[in-house]
Amino acid sequence: AQSVTQLGSHVSVSEGALVLLRCNYSSSVPPYLFWYVQYPNQGLQLLLKYTSAATLVKGINDFEAEFKKSETSFHLTKPSAHMSDAAEYFCAVSDQAGTALIFGKGTTLSVSS
Amino acid sequence: GAVVSQHPSWVICKSGTSVKIECRSLDFQATTMFWYRQFPKQSLMLMATSNEGSKATYEQGVEKDKFLINHASLTLSTLTVTSAHPEDSSFYICSARDHSGTPELFFGEGSRLTVL
Repeated sequence: AQSVTQLGSHVSVSEGALVLLRCNYSSSVPPYLFWYVQYPNQGLQLLLKYTSAATLVKGINDFEAEFKKSETSFHLTKPSAHMSDAAEYFCAVSDQAGTALIFGKGTTLSVSS
Repeated sequence: GAVVSQHPSWVICKSGTSVKIECRSLDFQATTMFWYRQFPKQSLMLMATSNEGSKATYEQGVEKDKFLINHASLTLSTLTVTSAHPEDSSFYICSARDHSGTPELFFGEGSRLTVL
């Protein structure tokens, strides 16, 4: 069975600072990994995905994530935070294309001016 | 592309009544749809997997007689909360996977159910 652990339920950064949201996964087979963002009372929007191609994945809005098999990690980064990045971020894993995604508990990102 | 529409966005109902939530894939065919439930400030909990033309597969602990799921076509799945009670109040989110087999899910906007 797969699982996801997001370290840090709440991350606060200043506008323009580096954003780092941590995600570790557990999977018995090569995983598919995802980062989604959720704004209040809305659904989830896909930021980026890893599907066994390049280990450094670039997504929308300058977000990127690096798959590190040795560390079972898939941390999300952004070089410079914007106020509009304040939201809830979820890391998710699946073991094959046909199954549901299993989500981490989420990390709330706050951005201060 | 890959838009999933969910309706209604907000619904308030009296205890004991039933509520139906619709999930539509607008520009793609979805052989599989997934229903999630989200409590305030918490993660998404998978409720069931819905395959077009067959019975839904429910996760352990989810009452299939309370949460009726129908997936009658490649673009529509419905979740009916039957005999709703205040503890059913939650944010329900549907998601769909494109039948072409890409691994990511596309999510609806969510439906907030409040049972009085």
